Amino acid sequence: GESVGLHLPTLSVQEGDNSIINCAYSNSASDYFIWYKQESGKGPQFIIDIRSNMDKRQGQRVTVLLNKTVKHLSLQIAATQPGDSAVYFCAEKNNRLAFGKGNQVVVIP
Amino acid sequence: NAGVMQNPRHLVRRRGQEARLRCSPMKGHSHVYWYRQLPEEGLKFMVYLQKENIIDESGMPKERFSAEFPKEGPSILRIQQVVRGDSAAYFCASSPRRLSGENTGELFFGEGSRLTVL
Repeated sequence: GESVGLHLPTLSVQEGDNSIINCAYSNSASDYFIWYKQESGKGPQFIIDIRSNMDKRQGQRVTVLLNKTVKHLSLQIAATQPGDSAVYFCAEKNNRLAFGKGNQVVVIP
Repeated sequence: NAGVMQNPRHLVRRRGQEARLRCSPMKGHSHVYWYRQLPEEGLKFMVYLQKENIIDESGMPKERFSAEFPKEGPSILRIQQVVRGDSAAYFCASSPRRLSGENTGELFFGEGSRLTVL
């Protein structure tokens, strides 16, 4: 999309299917992990976060999983809708937010 | 309750000119963060400011870039003598408190200022 023009990993998903977006983080000392959504031409929007002492947290249609052993974070979106088409960034917090590169999700109607 | 306001949304400058980007945080927020979004690199932290203070500028280029957040008025990101490599989207985010301890780290982002250097 226009937001960044990045050559991002892209997930194409059929409307109504579930989406899984993955992220690897680097800092074992990070105390929170957060997912942001960025629609074309807009700023990032907070979706959900998870504290480092948890391994799963659920929101409305979204679930975040944290695997500290392999430093891996994932975001699951249930029943993906056209409005979910965006770039998704994971971020880790350790006094400031450091963002990953992003994953583009394209929802096919 | 207005969100984070950034202006201009789009700015075109010729090489060597100056660019000034402004950010008004959400009401009640005294912590401001600037991020740069370059093609191929995602969002990169530049600087963190609290009213009248620069708290963390570890992501700022050493030359030509400066930021301020005065007691009154918006935060300003200033780029002097712009070069083509400065072309990017610059995002400002605000929060009501410092990102530490039990604070989850939710930042509220503006729509960004897109700088194009010709």
